[in-house]
Amino acid sequence: GQSLEQPSEVTAVEGAIVQINCTYQTSGFYGLSWYQQHDGGAPTFLSYNALDGLEETGRFSSFLSRSDSYGYLLLQELQMKDSASYFCAVRFRYNQGGKLIFGQGTELSVKP
Amino acid sequence: NAGVTQTPKFQVLKTGQSMTLQCAQDMNHNSMYWYRQDPGMGLRLIYYSASEGTTDKGEVPNGYNVSRLNKREFSLRLESAAPSQTSVYFCASSNRAVGTEAFFGQGTRLTVV
Repeated sequence: GQSLEQPSEVTAVEGAIVQINCTYQTSGFYGLSWYQQHDGGAPTFLSYNALDGLEETGRFSSFLSRSDSYGYLLLQELQMKDSASYFCAVRFRYNQGGKLIFGQGTELSVKP
Repeated sequence: NAGVTQTPKFQVLKTGQSMTLQCAQDMNHNSMYWYRQDPGMGLRLIYYSASEGTTDKGEVPNGYNVSRLNKREFSLRLESAAPSQTSVYFCASSNRAVGTEAFFGQGTRLTVV
């Protein structure tokens, strides 16, 4: 089957660094994406890793290791507004259907 | 530029009633998706369409049908609503290229009583 697993909840304090992990049991996809969703809102795209290694976008970084079937999202200098749910996702090639599937999400709570 | 538009935003149905959720995108995207979101369950793919004229089942297709009316529009139909279909439904679209981001509508909050 195809599945992505994430911790259900993570708590951290303002100004700290937090890492949200994603492990997957699927194949045939190309890259790992991350999305953010604030309570009651629509998910929005954060980052994409096509290759193994670290991708940095401002305070957010994302990492992928295909050999370990593992990735993570790193949030630095946490702010209260970072309290949200974070989802990892994989997208399959068009000639393999092109579907986009998500993990169950990690709810991040940032405390003062 | 509206992006992805879903209608309605809220809906209450009685068990056994039918309805169609509408979704339209104005970004000329090839791929469109329907998801449902339940507490603690993340976003589960119901159906998707890789291009106009094609649709495929996702992870939880039972009880639903879809129509890719044209490149812009992708509708989701509940033929006989059940309380288990109470959920928040999201439509999304993206370009065909792998790695491009998906854009989501604001969701439809459906309650089946």
